[in-house]
Amino acid sequence: QKEVEQNSGPLSVPEGAIASLNCTYSDRGSQSFFWYRQYSGKSPELIMSIYSNGDQEDGRFTAQLNKASQYVSLLIRDSQPSDSATYLCAVRDTDKLIFGTGTRLQVFP
Amino acid sequence: NAGVTQTPKFQVLKTGQSMTLQCAQDMNHNSMYWYRQDPGMGLRLIYYSASEGTTDKGEVPNGYNVSRLNKREFSLRLESAAPSQTSVYFCASSSPWTGTEAFFGQGTRLTVV
Repeated sequence: QKEVEQNSGPLSVPEGAIASLNCTYSDRGSQSFFWYRQYSGKSPELIMSIYSNGDQEDGRFTAQLNKASQYVSLLIRDSQPSDSATYLCAVRDTDKLIFGTGTRLQVFP
Repeated sequence: NAGVTQTPKFQVLKTGQSMTLQCAQDMNHNSMYWYRQDPGMGLRLIYYSASEGTTDKGEVPNGYNVSRLNKREFSLRLESAAPSQTSVYFCASSSPWTGTEAFFGQGTRLTVV
């Protein structure tokens, strides 16, 4: 069974700080990686995709991939209280996505 | 353009009752999925359909059946509901081979008493 692991948190950071969320995966052959954001009571929303080693940046969000270490991370710069949500890491396994259990992020003023 | 639409949004069932959760997408995606989400368990795949006419089991298929009615619609049926099926159910669609990843519906909160 292919697995995606995340620390459940909560991760608490002050407003304006960098939030760092981490994810490891078991299948060394995985090629496609995603971060979803889920607000309480809402559905998951795709915020970042990454396919090759290194960094992928979109605004305040940076996804980092290290295939050798089987490690994906999401950095959120200048964290805002509106970033408070659960962040789900997902890895593509052929025709489907496998999700981690998510990390709850709390950004306090 | 509604995206992924699920019905109903809320449902309470008695143990042993049956029901069908409906899902439709208007984005011309090939793949559709049903997930359940429980506290501390993340999103677990129940069934998926990689293309019209095909369905496959996911991680937790027991107690469920699915139908890919056409390219737009993918329904999930509980034949005899059990309290263990109390959960939030999400439908999603994607076209991974064109680089379009999963869009989720708004979810169905199901309680089995």
